[in-house]
Amino acid sequence: DGGITQSPKYLFRKEGQNVTLSCEQNLNHDAMYWYRQDPGQGLRLIYYSQIVNDFQKGDIAEGYSVSREKKESFPLTVTSAQKNPTAFYLCASSPYTDGGTEAFFGQGTRLTVV
Amino acid sequence: GEDVEQSLFLSVREGDSSVINCTYTDSSSTYLYWYKQEPGAGLQLLTYIFSNMDMKQDQRLTVLLNKKDKHLSLRIADTQTGDSAIYFCAESPRKGGGNKLTFGTGTQLKVEL
Repeated sequence: DGGITQSPKYLFRKEGQNVTLSCEQNLNHDAMYWYRQDPGQGLRLIYYSQIVNDFQKGDIAEGYSVSREKKESFPLTVTSAQKNPTAFYLCASSPYTDGGTEAFFGQGTRLTVV
Repeated sequence: GEDVEQSLFLSVREGDSSVINCTYTDSSSTYLYWYKQEPGAGLQLLTYIFSNMDMKQDQRLTVLLNKKDKHLSLRIADTQTGDSAIYFCAESPRKGGGNKLTFGTGTQLKVEL
């Protein structure tokens, strides 16, 4: 079945460590996105990529890094520079259009700093 | 920058209609969306409306857009317990923005028996 998969579902990180969240899609979508969700704040865009080997910063990119070496994959690294990384992270993908199409979301990864 | 606002909570009785409201600031928005999030899950697109439309109906869902006031609403008819979730309003900021969405804070809908 086509879809978008995030792993792991739960992730624990010690302070000072980098961690990488996986996002894979088999929908043949050009565009992929990472959002962060905090209670009462909705979703905020971290990074997005509209084509392989290219990506742009979103509204809250500081302390995060991404790569887009393959169309199917858009991993997010939460670095030790991110001061408050505990949150629910959502990955999405969509066709690259001017809107009016569905962005498909993964089931999310909940990251907790211990 | 763009801003999208929603009330945080709404409680309704099963069988009643629910109306979830949203205001946005970006007058260049081309598409406006409603997404549903169930606990611990990702987001599911419910419906969207193009900015040159006033209304869109899809089964139990009715979307109304007042472009002058930058106000969007989602009406759910005959609300069921399975409709309990968080509902997000979102906009595509400008043409060419694709699905680089700006989301509201989300409205938690609670359906009581």
